[in-house]
Amino acid sequence: ILNVEQSPQSLHVQEGDSTNFTCSFPSSNFYALHWYRWETAKSPEALFVMTLNGDEKKKGRISATLNTKEGYSYLYIKGSQPEDSATYLCAFMMNTGFQKLVFGTGTRLLVSP
Amino acid sequence: GAGVSQSPSNKVTEKGKDVELRCDPISGHTALYWYRQSLGQGLEFLIYFQGNSAPDKSGLPSDRFSAERTGGSVSTLTIQRTQQEDSAVYLCASSLVRVSGDTQYFGPGTRLTVL
Repeated sequence: ILNVEQSPQSLHVQEGDSTNFTCSFPSSNFYALHWYRWETAKSPEALFVMTLNGDEKKKGRISATLNTKEGYSYLYIKGSQPEDSATYLCAFMMNTGFQKLVFGTGTRLLVSP
Repeated sequence: GAGVSQSPSNKVTEKGKDVELRCDPISGHTALYWYRQSLGQGLEFLIYFQGNSAPDKSGLPSDRFSAERTGGSVSTLTIQRTQQEDSAVYLCASSLVRVSGDTQYFGPGTRLTVL
């Protein structure tokens, strides 16, 4: 059974704070690691698809790093804003057989003004 | 362009009834996925369609669940004889082709409540 874990489960920060979350995944049979943002009453929105060890990707104030050897990825948000409030999901994709996404349970972020 | 759409957005049904959930993927996307999120759980894979290949049904939780994709486009997820544990948000996603990790584009989901 594939296990994708995210921490913390939830986080409450003040506007302007920087924050980061962790996603742990199996280090074997790696193909890709996805990050999604899921705001309440909206569709999950793709943030990053990461495939290479050591990869760093950035989208505005949000960035992510990937370590496939040890099986973890970090998501960073610099200068959090209230509109960043959402659940952040990571999902692991294997390189064997059908490449379905195995999701973690997410980190729920609340940014207060 | 239009994103993935799903209908209905909410469905309340009685235990034992059958329900059908619909997904319209992004035009041209060859891959279509169904997931669900039960209360307190992560997104759980249900079924995957890719082009004309046989679907991967490995995530379907029981034989009460089935799905079809007609004409390589619209998909319907059917749950027969619904149970209370089927209550969840059912999400559909589509992607273009299976390359480079394939970003999946999600619909807004159908919230199913089984009374």
